[in-house]
Amino acid sequence: AQSVTQPDIHITVSEGASLELRCNYSYGATPYLFWYVQSPGQGLQLLLKYFSGDTLVQGIKGFEAEFKRSQSSFNLRKPSVHWSDAAEYFCAVGARGGSQGNLIFGKGTKLSVKP
Amino acid sequence: KAGVTQTPRYLIKTRGQQVTLSCSPISGHRSVSWYQQTPGQGLQFLFEYFSETQRNKGNFPGRFSGRQFSNSRSEMNVSTLELGDSALYLCASRTDGPYEQYFGPGTRLTVT
Repeated sequence: AQSVTQPDIHITVSEGASLELRCNYSYGATPYLFWYVQSPGQGLQLLLKYFSGDTLVQGIKGFEAEFKRSQSSFNLRKPSVHWSDAAEYFCAVGARGGSQGNLIFGKGTKLSVKP
Repeated sequence: KAGVTQTPRYLIKTRGQQVTLSCSPISGHRSVSWYQQTPGQGLQFLFEYFSETQRNKGNFPGRFSGRQFSNSRSEMNVSTLELGDSALYLCASRTDGPYEQYFGPGTRLTVT
């Protein structure tokens, strides 16, 4: 069955420190990959996406993610975290083909930022 | 361009009632997907509509239904509400093809 695993439920980092959020997926082929961020009481905002090509993708707000096929991973990184990055982050996969409207999400990683 | 809008933003209903939620996609987007978000189950796909036709459906009971109008606006309906239906319901739109989905702010449904 297709699934997405975000192993870390909650991460706390100091402002200015680097960040890496992990995401592993189980899928029959290379899916489309996404990272979304959700602030409390809000909808999801797309940070970045991977469809094909360069395995290192850049997103908004200084985030980047690297697709590693051999590890079935799509980890999110940011070199220097800002207090405003505190939110919940979701990794998602989408099927290539007719089911593109069906995203499968991980359970999310809540990021807290220490001043 | 205006983003995805959802109405109402908050709703309180009683068990056994029914509810209708509305979603207006980004202009030009013909695909609308609905998701349920709960603390226990996370984000789960409900269904997707494209050009007024349901294209995909998640694993939810028949009490959950939806439709899409010719202007791409979509509604979802939940009949015979249960306490477990309390959730944030998110709508997302995209253009057709392998494109990213853009989410609305959600409707917070509380069933008492």
